[in-house]
Amino acid sequence: AQSVTQPDIHITVSEGASLELRCNYSYGATPYLFWYVQSPGQGLQLLLKYFSGDTLVQGIKGFEAEFKRSQSSFNLRKPSVHWSDAAEYFCAVGINQAGTALIFGKGTTLSVSS
Amino acid sequence: EAEVAQSPRYKITEKSQAVAFWCDPISGHATLYWYRQILGQGPELLVQFQDESVVDDSQLPKDRFSAERLKGVDSTLKIQPAELGDSAMYLCASRLQGTHPNTEAFFGQGTRLTVV
Repeated sequence: AQSVTQPDIHITVSEGASLELRCNYSYGATPYLFWYVQSPGQGLQLLLKYFSGDTLVQGIKGFEAEFKRSQSSFNLRKPSVHWSDAAEYFCAVGINQAGTALIFGKGTTLSVSS
Repeated sequence: EAEVAQSPRYKITEKSQAVAFWCDPISGHATLYWYRQILGQGPELLVQFQDESVVDDSQLPKDRFSAERLKGVDSTLKIQPAELGDSAMYLCASRLQGTHPNTEAFFGQGTRLTVV
């Protein structure tokens, strides 16, 4: 069965430091991968997505992610974190069938310290 | 900017009562999803519509949950009777096309349900 694992429940990063959030997936075919961000009490906003082609994808707010098939990973990175990046981050895999839906990981909460 | 509208934003209900949530997707979006997000967890799909038809409701607890999208536009999710374990955020999302994930799913702000 398809699944998404985010190993880190909570990460604290100093403002200005780099960030990497880990995501591993389990899926038999070529996955469609997403990262979403959720601020407290809000819905989800898409940061970036991967379908094919270049394995390094750029997203909004200065985020990027790299797809590594050999490691079944899709880690999210940002070179310099801002205090406004504090939120919950979800990795998701989209299953390619009629009426596709997303399977989400349990999320990683990012705290930013000054 | 177009957005997915959900109401109410917050709902407190007593267990065994009925509760309903409403979602208005972005105009023209044929695919609509209801997700449930328990505190500290990622969203889990409850039901997916393509126009007015249910595509996937395999994770919907059908003994107490129902969902409809009668005219293929807005949608209602109902719980009757509500149980304490139903306390969660209920998120609605919509997508322009339903046959390929290469179109973004847009999420509403959700309805936070508390069952007491």
